[in-house]
Amino acid sequence: GEDVEQSLFLSVREGDSSVINCTYTDSSSTYLYWYKQEPGAGLQLLTYIFSNMDMKQDQRLTVLLNKKDKHLSLRIADTQTGDSAIYFCAESKENNRLAFGKGNQVVVIP
Amino acid sequence: GAGVSQSPSNKVTEKGKDVELRCDPISGHTALYWYRQSLGQGLEFLIYFQGNSAPDKSGLPSDRFSAERTGGSVSTLTIQRTQQEDSAVYLCASSLARQRQAFFGQGTRLTVV
Repeated sequence: GEDVEQSLFLSVREGDSSVINCTYTDSSSTYLYWYKQEPGAGLQLLTYIFSNMDMKQDQRLTVLLNKKDKHLSLRIADTQTGDSAIYFCAESKENNRLAFGKGNQVVVIP
Repeated sequence: GAGVSQSPSNKVTEKGKDVELRCDPISGHTALYWYRQSLGQGLEFLIYFQGNSAPDKSGLPSDRFSAERTGGSVSTLTIQRTQQEDSAVYLCASSLARQRQAFFGQGTRLTVV
């Protein structure tokens, strides 16, 4: 089965909050990540959270981690048109490699 | 350089031909990764290099795929006898040893016709 699962599509109005969810499988993962991919571009690391934390806030981004349920979420406050992209969550695996979800496309409607 | 650089950015090749994709990691980064992103799919791990250690090749999908890293810096991913299912974006990433923050290049879009 998939290591990391994400829902596929989210549409949100500009100025509203977006919440993207992700579930992962490896309880030993030390770090969990959120990456952003804009059209035709590579992956940009948005934020990451250490596994012993429940929450991390970074400007408009809030990451919540529920280790018991292996659930990770990313909240984007005051969503802007520049936030339109595909968002990938990822967990760290052995040898430092990352296991990615299939991504969640966020479309911001002006 | 300032970031991870990949070349070419786009490559169209005929089925059965060999291709080489190049990755220049960030200077000083000892860890280098190759991933593949297929249409509608997430990122699939291919291979991992760490310093002088033997690479982790566990993600390579077939023996047509190989990669090398010369001098601990530049890496080349080679696909022999390309097939249409090899069409994808191939992404390279690098990171400092023991640091988990990986930086990605822009990718090489490979199209096999």
